[in-house]
Amino acid sequence: SAVISQKPSRDICQRGTSLTIQCQVDSQVTMMFWYRQQPGQSLTLIATANQGSEATYESGFVIDKFPISRPNLTFSTLTVSNMSPEDSSIYLCSVDPGRVRRTEAFFGQGTRLTVV
Amino acid sequence: AQKVTQAQTEISVVEKEDVTLDCVYETRDTTYYLFWYKQPPSGELVFLIRRNSFDEQNEISGRYSWNFQKSTSSFNFTITASQVVDSAVYFCALSESNYGQNFVFGPGTRLSVLP
Repeated sequence: SAVISQKPSRDICQRGTSLTIQCQVDSQVTMMFWYRQQPGQSLTLIATANQGSEATYESGFVIDKFPISRPNLTFSTLTVSNMSPEDSSIYLCSVDPGRVRRTEAFFGQGTRLTVV
Repeated sequence: AQKVTQAQTEISVVEKEDVTLDCVYETRDTTYYLFWYKQPPSGELVFLIRRNSFDEQNEISGRYSWNFQKSTSSFNFTITASQVVDSAVYFCALSESNYGQNFVFGPGTRLSVLP
């Protein structure tokens, strides 16, 4: 099964700086996804990261603000750039649930970001 | 287009009461997965169940049970004899089974179980 490790688990950052969040999967997966959960809200897909190609971003999210790397089939990073307090959210990575056969959680532990 | 609706924004019950959380979904696919997640105040998503669209059997796991009704596109979640530790936000989610499909989440239901 896919065990997903995400770090950091939380961080407090100054506005204008950038934070890179790492997501490590213990098995090879082709598709990885990044979500944002703003305070009191549901989860919203930021982008889909496919190994070997550019990430595909959802409406309202742009590469300059949320650059994503996917260097191999077990790892991805999401950077939150030039942060403002509005970026304070929980960020989660996940894998394609249709491709993970065993009944397991499909999400990392999340990164709770506070921008001050 | 996929959509998940959880009409109950917040529910409060007294400990030991039964509570049902509603989930209605929309999809054009005939093959899809439905999920329930629990999110305690710590923020981590706790996986509860995955159900594929071809398995309409209801499931029971301890105090939890799920009622999947394709005819009404609903996947409701019941907690029997609720406990204070059940207090959390619960999300229903949908994923179409085509390769590379992400989750679509409902807005969540905040459950408060009072002692």
